[in-house]
Order: sequence, then structure tokens, then C-alpha cells
Amino acid sequence: AQSVTQPDIHITVSEGASLELRCNYSYGATPYLFWYVQSPGQGLQLLLKYFSGDTLVQGIKGFEAEFKRSQSSFNLRKPSVHWSDAAEYFCAVGGGTGTASKLTFGTGTRLQVTL
Amino acid sequence: GAVVSQHPSWVICKSGTSVKIECRSLDFQATTMFWYRQFPKQSLMLMATSNEGSKATYEQGVEKDKFLINHASLTLSTLTVTSAHPEDSSFYICSATSYRTGYTFGSGTRLTVV
Repeated sequence: AQSVTQPDIHITVSEGASLELRCNYSYGATPYLFWYVQSPGQGLQLLLKYFSGDTLVQGIKGFEAEFKRSQSSFNLRKPSVHWSDAAEYFCAVGGGTGTASKLTFGTGTRLQVTL
Repeated sequence: GAVVSQHPSWVICKSGTSVKIECRSLDFQATTMFWYRQFPKQSLMLMATSNEGSKATYEQGVEKDKFLINHASLTLSTLTVTSAHPEDSSFYICSATSYRTGYTFGSGTRLTVV
């Protein structure tokens, strides 16, 4: 069975500081990995995804993530956080894209940004 | 980019009534649609997977008769919460997928049953 663990429930960083959100996954085959962001009462917006190739993936809003197969991790990073980045972040794993493969989400990490 | 419209954004209904939520892919044909439920400050829990023209596949523990899913076309799926009760109050999100667009999420529906 596939699963995702986001160890940090809540993280607070100062604006301008760097950010790293952790994600560990369990999947029996080659995983398709995603990071989504959700603002309160809103749907999910895709930040970035990894299917294959370069293990360092660039996304929108200055985010990047690195796939490390040996550690079963897909951590999200941003060099300098902006106050508008405050939101809930979800890591997800699936078996493919555009197929019937379902996504399994982690429990999310709530990011708070202090000014 | 791919857009999924989910309607209504929020709905309040009386206990015992039914509520229908629509999920439409506006600019692509969705091979598969997923319905999720999200409790406050929690993750998304998959309820069911639906493919156009076939019966939905429900996750374990999800009541098929309470959460009716219809996927009538490649651009429309509906979730009907039948005989709603306060414990059904939640945030429901749909996701539509295609090979070209990947997974695209709707903006969600906040259901409150009073």
C-alpha cells in the first residue's frame, strides 16, 4: 500500500528565511510524487511534480523539491519565504498521471510566516 | 491551463435532505475523476474513483448508498450526499485527470448540515 508521511504538522519561519518541508513516502514501484498548496477554504494548487529524470524539480512560486530514492524522501524547499506562502502544504504519491491511479496524501504541514 | 469547476462552493442544508455537488472539467476531457473529503485541519481522504460511463469505485468504509457518484460524461461528475446528517458536514474536493493535464483539483465545496 502506498503512504506518505509529513513529520511536521506545523512550521513557523520568518519572512525571508529558508524553508524545508519534509516528506517521506512508501510505494512499491516507481513513485510519482507531488507537492500541493492549499489556502483556507480553497482547493489544491500544484507546486511541482516528479515522475522521472532530474531528481531536483523546480516548481512555481520559487519552490523546488529533491527526490532521494535511497531515503524515500521528496522534501520541498524554498530559499526565501514570503508572507504569502503561509498555507497548508500537502505531499502526495501516486502511480502515474492521467490514469486511474489514485493519489495518497500526507497529513499536511501548516506553514506560518512571521514578519 | 486545465481548469476544474466545482459547484457550489458552499451549501447549507437541513438534516435529512440531499445535496448534489458538481465537478466539471472545463477545457479537457477527464478520463477519471476522484472525490475527496477533508475534515478541518486534516488531510484529503479519497472517497471514490469514477470513470465515465461506469460505476464508481468506493474506498473502504465509504457508504455507497449515502454518497452517490455519477460520471455521466467525460467532463462532468456529480456527488450526491443523500439524507445528509450533521456528521456529513465537511469539505469535499473533486479531482479530474487526463493524460494531457494530469491531476487538476476543483476549489472544493463546504457542506454544512444543520
